[in-house]
Amino acid sequence: GQNIDQPTEMTATEGAIVQINCTYQTSGFNGLFWYQQHAGEAPTFLSYNVLDGLEEKGRFSSFLSRSKGYSYLLLKELQMKDSASYLCAVRENSNSGYALNFGKGTSLLVTP
Amino acid sequence: DTGVSQDPRHKITKRGQNVTFRCDPISEHNRLYWYRQTLGQGPEFLTYFQNEAQLEKSRLLSDRFSAERPKGSFSTLEIQRTEQGDSAMYLCASSLGDNNEQFFGPGTRLTVL
Repeated sequence: GQNIDQPTEMTATEGAIVQINCTYQTSGFNGLFWYQQHAGEAPTFLSYNVLDGLEEKGRFSSFLSRSKGYSYLLLKELQMKDSASYLCAVRENSNSGYALNFGKGTSLLVTP
Repeated sequence: DTGVSQDPRHKITKRGQNVTFRCDPISEHNRLYWYRQTLGQGPEFLTYFQNEAQLEKSRLLSDRFSAERPKGSFSTLEIQRTEQGDSAMYLCASSLGDNNEQFFGPGTRLTVL
């Protein structure tokens, strides 16, 4: 099993930058995912890290430090449509599959 | 572009009734996952299929829950003798291979009265 912690809520201003942190504890790390979920909709994939360092994809970047059990999602040039829940998920080594273990999500509110 | 589809999108039932949900994954995806999500929480893993074989089940999956994927394509999740605590969003996801992202369907929202 594992514990995944991320802030419950964050607020940021349109056009700004926001960083959402995620810490985890796991016995067999095999990747960390970030998903975006708008209210009432399915989670959609944002990023994937398996090695230490920064992965950049447009306005979104994700960082991983395996030794610290830490990741962050960085959102730049915030837009109103970025208001959503951001889910951090860890995948463990498994003999039978690669189910994701999700945190509770960080609800981000972007204000004008 | 055909993604993961789920049916029905909403289901309201009375306590004690049985319900069945269907998931159609992306056609070439061999792995299929069921998750449950309640308000304010992240999705919780329920069970996983590789092709038609059910390879892993969470402790959350009580004996009232059963899932099948008979031909390695679509999957069904049945809940027998539903309880109010079963009210949740049931999400299905699929992936291709071991280390690829999971694509989620829109979910089935179950309300047990």
